[in-house]
Amino acid sequence: EIVLTQSPGTLSLSPGERATLSCRASQSVSSSYLAWYQQKPGQAPRLLIYGASSRATGIPDRFSGSGSGTDFTLTISRLEPEDFAVYYCQQYGSFPLTFGGGTKVEIK
Amino acid sequence: EVQLVESGGGLVQPGGSLRLSCAASGFTFSSYWMSWVRQAPGKGLEWVANIKQDGSEKYYVDSVKGRFTISRDNAKNSLYLQMNSLRAEDTAVYYCAREGTLRSYFDYWGQGTLVTVSS
Repeated sequence: EIVLTQSPGTLSLSPGERATLSCRASQSVSSSYLAWYQQKPGQAPRLLIYGASSRATGIPDRFSGSGSGTDFTLTISRLEPEDFAVYYCQQYGSFPLTFGGGTKVEIK
Repeated sequence: EVQLVESGGGLVQPGGSLRLSCAASGFTFSSYWMSWVRQAPGKGLEWVANIKQDGSEKYYVDSVKGRFTISRDNAKNSLYLQMNSLRAEDTAVYYCAREGTLRSYFDYWGQGTLVTVSS
C-alpha cells in the first residue's frame, strides 16, 4: 500500500498569499497518477488536479500541480477567500487507492 | 449535468447490515468505473471499493473485504454497496464517486450518506 504524507498539517495564510502544499509518497507513484481535491465543511470533495499537473474542468489557473515519483506539490498562486479549505492528495497508480491525511489552509 | 445521489444510510447496530444506493444521471453510467469513498467524522478520506463498467472487476480496501460488496445495475443507472457485519469503525459519510476516464481519480462526487454503527 502506498502511504501518502501531506505537509504541513495546517497552513495559516492571508488572502493574496501563495500556498504551497506537499504530498510525499512512501513509494513511487506510477505514471504520476496523483490527484488533488479541495473539501469545504459539509461538502463533498472537489477534484482540482489529476495526472499530477492537469487541471480539472472549471478549475481556476491559480491552482497548479507538479511533481513526480514520490514528491508532489499543489500550489495556489494567490489565495482567494473561497480557497480556505482542506486539501487532499490521492494516488491511483496502484490498489488500494489511497489518500493523504489532508492539509488545512486557514485564514491567518 | 452529472448528478450522483446516495441513499440508504442510517443508524445500525454492530454486526448489522445496510445497503447503500447511488442514483446516477447526466452521463452514460455504463461507460464509467464507479467507487465508494468514506469519511469518518472529523477524519480524512478513505477509498472503500470500486467496480468496472460491466461489473466484471471489483476491488476493495482490506478493511472491508469479505464484509462489503459493491455492485451496479446499468439498466437502472445505479450503484450499490451492501455492508454486512458492520463495526463501529465503519461509521462514516459514504460518498458515491465517478472515476475519471484516465484511471481512478474521482471527477464527480455525490453529497454523501451517513452511516452510524452504534448500539
